[in-house]
Amino acid sequence: DVVLTQTPVSLSVTLGDQASISCRSSQSLEYSDGYTYLEWYLQKPGQSPQLLIYEVSNRFSGVPDRFIGSGSGTDFTLKISRVEPEDLGVYYCFQATHDPWTFGGGTKLELK
Amino acid sequence: QVTLKESGPGILQPSQTLSLTCSFSGFSLSTSGICVSWIRQPSGKGLEWLATICWEDSKGYNPSLKNRLTISKDTSNNQAFLKITSVDTADTAIYYCARRGGYNYYWYFDFWGPGTMVTVSS
Repeated sequence: DVVLTQTPVSLSVTLGDQASISCRSSQSLEYSDGYTYLEWYLQKPGQSPQLLIYEVSNRFSGVPDRFIGSGSGTDFTLKISRVEPEDLGVYYCFQATHDPWTFGGGTKLELK
Repeated sequence: QVTLKESGPGILQPSQTLSLTCSFSGFSLSTSGICVSWIRQPSGKGLEWLATICWEDSKGYNPSLKNRLTISKDTSNNQAFLKITSVDTADTAIYYCARRGGYNYYWYFDFWGPGTMVTVSS
């Protein structure tokens, strides 16, 4: 199975700071069709996960442009510029390139 | 407006079969490029993908559950189902269903249900 390793596990920030989360895969996530099925989800406290980014760097409808996804192959990053209170929660990367589909372990973004 | 809602037994005993229903509205599971997945989350832990069923009836399962899973759908009634046989305490979790859509070769979970808590206990 593909293992997605997220770092850090926990990230303490001040509002307005930039935050960066890494997601490293045990295998390349580029599929044979040329697409890379790497997504980012945010789970706010007490809520279901919500989609932020799909195919590495595409923001989902309504997601603010302070969320930026990047990367290729096995190394991916989610950057949040100017963290706002509604950004707090647990971030998960997810891959659907290889079966079985897998999630990263999560990164908890909290206030300092 | 797309909505999904999970329902289940709440509590069941070890070795029983868990039956979950995902009732949805705002889309059809007979529409090309639409799938529904089941994902679970033990309390305080991360997410685990379990299974997916798509419009053309293709199915995918997480082999870590060793053939205990069966996913199915009732297109006419806008429902998807998941059965897990021989449950034990490790199956205690919140179970989510989520729509997975394919749009111009991009795929993602764009809508999620609120989740249903399942507790396995004797």
